[in-house]
Amino acid sequence: DAGVIQSPRHEVTEMGQEVTLRCKPISGHNSLFWYRQTMMRGLELLIYFNNNVPIDDSGMPEDRFSAKMPNASFSTLKIQPSEPRDSAVYFCASSELGQGAGEQYFGPGTRLTVT
Amino acid sequence: SQQGEEDPQALSIQEGENATMNCSYKTSINNLQWYRQNSGRGLVHLILIRSNEREKHSGRLRVTLDTSKKSSSLLITASRAADTASYFCATDINDYKLSFGAGTTVTVRA
Repeated sequence: DAGVIQSPRHEVTEMGQEVTLRCKPISGHNSLFWYRQTMMRGLELLIYFNNNVPIDDSGMPEDRFSAKMPNASFSTLKIQPSEPRDSAVYFCASSELGQGAGEQYFGPGTRLTVT
Repeated sequence: SQQGEEDPQALSIQEGENATMNCSYKTSINNLQWYRQNSGRGLVHLILIRSNEREKHSGRLRVTLDTSKKSSSLLITASRAADTASYFCATDINDYKLSFGAGTTVTVRA
């Protein structure tokens, strides 16, 4: 298995622009997570999907952030409009449900820089 | 907010030495996990220990859990340069959510 795939790996954009991050979870995993990692705040859970349905979006910082999971093999995280404080590394992770909060498999991340 | 806190924040050791890092948490858990993150990469799961377990081994890794003290330790024996990374503990908040600590940065000197 190729593991969790994320694209792009790096994104540099100007303030005000729309940014879309993409994720392909591991086949057969029914749980998908979007995280943000910064030096100041560490690793934060933004949103959790189970069987393509958003279950917990309490970590989404503002209405500028939105996430979708149209099918079991694809998810997007969109920021519109982007701001410099959104600069961070964004990770997607997937796991199998049924084991509680068990092992999560992380993608390589997207490093976002908003200037 | 972070449930788990690692200690120390940073650790520098000679190749071949053992590395020990600790994690303390606040609320009751079902399991505790340790992850490794190499520079510029995603987190990699190392080991999961359940609340009814006291010790677990995986290769050169040894994890202990003391639920009475709400603490866990990760021991890496016979360290190698490839062990240079940040190590995070994660505790389960509910049946899907993990809370990650700030991490311990380990540097293994050749």
